Amino acid sequence: AQKITQTQPGMFVQEKEAVTLDCTYDTSDPSYGLFWYKQPSSGEMIFLIYQGSYDQQNATEGRYSLNFQKARKSANLVISASQLGDSAMYFCAMRDLNTGTASKLTFGTGTRLQVTL
Amino acid sequence: ETGVTQSPTHLIKTRGQQVTLRCSSQSGHNTVSWYQQALGQGPQFIFQYYREEENGRGNFPPRFSGLQFPNYSSELNVNALELDDSALYLCASSPGQGRNQPQHFGDGTRLSIL
Repeated sequence: AQKITQTQPGMFVQEKEAVTLDCTYDTSDPSYGLFWYKQPSSGEMIFLIYQGSYDQQNATEGRYSLNFQKARKSANLVISASQLGDSAMYFCAMRDLNTGTASKLTFGTGTRLQVTL
Repeated sequence: ETGVTQSPTHLIKTRGQQVTLRCSSQSGHNTVSWYQQALGQGPQFIFQYYREEENGRGNFPPRFSGLQFPNYSSELNVNALELDDSALYLCASSPGQGRNQPQHFGDGTRLSIL
């Protein structure tokens, strides 16, 4: 069974600073994908970034980068130059890439990020 | 490009009633998944539909059922509603079964059970 652990219930960061949101995972699958989503108070889950287990380089998307350490089973999200609009819940999720049927996402419990002036 | 749309946005029901939630997938997406997100939790996978067939299910009882239509839109039906069914229900679509494809979510339906 897959499991995602996010140990930071809440984080504060000053505007324009960088912040790291932690995510560790557990799986016996050799091939898997890791996703980060942002959920504003409106409820929509917004896709941010993807990392495949066999990708050689860490993923980057604009101000978002993923610090992927496979041996430690961690996939931390780094947000650079934080903006007030980054205030939201952030979820780490995993998907098994081998299963022949449903490609379900397993989510962590989330981290609430608050960006301050 | 139209994103994932869900209706209604809010719904209030009482215990024992039945409810139907609706989802229109993003243009070009033939796979739809449903998730339940209780307050303060991460989303939990309910089931997934691909080309009108259920092809995976999470740990939810049979009173949670669904449909997918030829235009890939989908319904989630819940019978015999219980207080614990109060949650945000999220629909997500993705193009095909490519497992590195991100799922794109709608705004959700907030269901309250009295």
